[in-house]
Amino acid sequence: SAVISQKPSRDICQRGTSLTIQCQVDSQVTMMFWYRQQPGQSLTLIATANQGSEATYESGFVIDKFPISRPNLTFSTLTVSNMSPEDSSIYLCSVEDMDWARGTRSREQYFGPGTRLTVT
Amino acid sequence: DAKTTQPPSMDCAEGRAANLPCNHSTISGNEYVYWYRQIHSQGPQYIIHGLKNNETNEMASLIITEDRKSSTLILPHATLRDTAVYYCIVTSDYKLSFGAGTTVTVRA
Repeated sequence: SAVISQKPSRDICQRGTSLTIQCQVDSQVTMMFWYRQQPGQSLTLIATANQGSEATYESGFVIDKFPISRPNLTFSTLTVSNMSPEDSSIYLCSVEDMDWARGTRSREQYFGPGTRLTVT
Repeated sequence: DAKTTQPPSMDCAEGRAANLPCNHSTISGNEYVYWYRQIHSQGPQYIIHGLKNNETNEMASLIITEDRKSSTLILPHATLRDTAVYYCIVTSDYKLSFGAGTTVTVRA
């Protein structure tokens, strides 16, 4: 399974500022995703990070608020822009690779440890 | 994606098997059943997935009924470290929709 790291692990930010979260994988993977987990809630998918093209956002999430980059097959960033206290959440990246032996999806997603963001 | 129904919570005894049910009566033919768990303050952890056949790996077994309308995740010998929220997800897509899950508490 892929090993995923995120930076920072936590941060406290002032409203109106932006924070960029990094996700690093120890191997090349085909798919990368960004999720949000608000306090006491379950995870919600923000977007799929696509290499070489714009991310694919889920309903309720827009690029201006959550710009995403994916410059290569091992790295992605999520920026939370113009933050408000409602953005206080845990942000997680996940990855899924191919089962190269079978030439199919592995159907196993692995998650990073998360970035705990508090906006004051 | 098919909707899933799980009990909100369950207790089990350490060392015993834990059987976690999930109903997914509207599942379609190309949708897989996935199980993930989230231990407090950690990212979710993949456990197992299946389409039609029962599956087993080093963590758990997945039993899917013949009509595919329900499934059971079996943790063969629960330990205190298995205390977590367990999510049953049904999808044919890359996107995982996490519901409320089942909070499993393993007691000594």
